[in-house]
Order: sequence, then structure tokens, then C-alpha cells
Amino acid sequence: EPEVTQTPSHQVTQMGQEVILRCVPISNHLYFYWYRQILGQKVEFLVSFYNNEISEKSEIFDDQFSVERPDGSNFTLKIRSTKLEDSAMYFCASRGGQETQYFGPGTRLLVL
Amino acid sequence: RKEVEQDPGPFNVPEGATVAFNCTYSNSASQSFFWYRQDCRKEPKLLMSVYSSGNEDGRFTAQLNRASQYISLLIRDSKLSDSATYLCVVIVDTGRRALTFGSGTRLQVQP
Repeated sequence: EPEVTQTPSHQVTQMGQEVILRCVPISNHLYFYWYRQILGQKVEFLVSFYNNEISEKSEIFDDQFSVERPDGSNFTLKIRSTKLEDSAMYFCASRGGQETQYFGPGTRLLVL
Repeated sequence: RKEVEQDPGPFNVPEGATVAFNCTYSNSASQSFFWYRQDCRKEPKLLMSVYSSGNEDGRFTAQLNRASQYISLLIRDSKLSDSATYLCVVIVDTGRRALTFGSGTRLQVQP
């Protein structure tokens, strides 16, 4: 069964450093999403991406964040200068023409 | 007011019990509704979509009441493997299709 994959599974970084989180969506999907979940809190929408551009972003997704689909398979989330409060689990999701979004296993980011 | 509100629990039930979770949503324009399941430190996984007519999938039954802006999930004959957090999820904006999550209700099924 096709699945969304994410790398790395864990990332530890120093405050102020840049991180890139990678996702490989399901191959025939066209819509891509990033969500985050701070420990003990709910899952929150960050950004959606379709046809090589951002289709919607939340108030969390400020200028420190960017997304890219550098090739036909990867979908990346970059945080330019990490803050302590960026520590969270970051989930990538993708969907095809149906509504169901399939989530990757997540990247746990810890900013020290 | 929270967009999607759930009782956080935990609900501690014995195996074989029937348990019901409720969820309310604030935006009357919400279009699509789901229950996801999340195991500890794992990704959310779709349990079932929720339709106005109600729908059932094995031991799981979901109901939607648009007038009251209320969604429910019923689990019959609970198994130990049902222990997880159940997330009520809504699509508010049909254009963006982003999921809006509740904080989840934790279920612990005990032997």
C-alpha cells in the first residue's frame, strides 16, 4: 500500500539554525500539506501546496517557513532560523482527488 | 470559542464495553467531517468519514447533526487495541481543504 514517508524521523538543532524537513508524498497525489503538533497539543495546519505553489497558509506559517517541491517526488519544509517554540512533531500529508489526507510518520524536531 | 471541541478524557473502559465520544464544531459552514485515530507519538490515521445519514464500519458508528453542529463516534465491543486518542476533524474551507483538528479524546481500554 502506498504511503507518505518523511525524513529524518528525529532532528535536534540549535536555536537560530536552519532545518529542512523532507517528505515524499504518495506518487499520484497532487495536494500536499504540512501540519505540526506541539507536544500535548492538537494538530495544527501550516500550509497547503498545489500545482507548485502555496494554496493556503495559516498564521503560524510566517516568513521563517517556506515550502518547495524541488523535484517530482520530494516536498520540503524549511525553517530558516529555528526558535525554541518550533519544537514539535511535523507531519506531511498528501491527497489525490478525494478528500482523504494520508499522513506521514512525522519528524520530531527539537530546538535547543 | 474553539473551532472543534472535544472532551479530552481519558475514558477508561473495560474490554467489551460500548463507549461514545462527542465533538462540537463552531463554524456552521463546515463541509466535511472525519474521525481520525492517533496512537502515542504516531501520525493521525483516518478512522472514518462522517456523513449526515450516519455511517457504520464494523464496530464503529459515526453520526453528524448539522443543526446542533455535533459529531459523535460510537465504539461497540471495545478491544484493547482501540486504546488511542480519537481526533474529531473538520474541513471548514472547501477551497483549501485543510483539516481542522480537535484536541482529541483519549480512550484506554482495560483488560
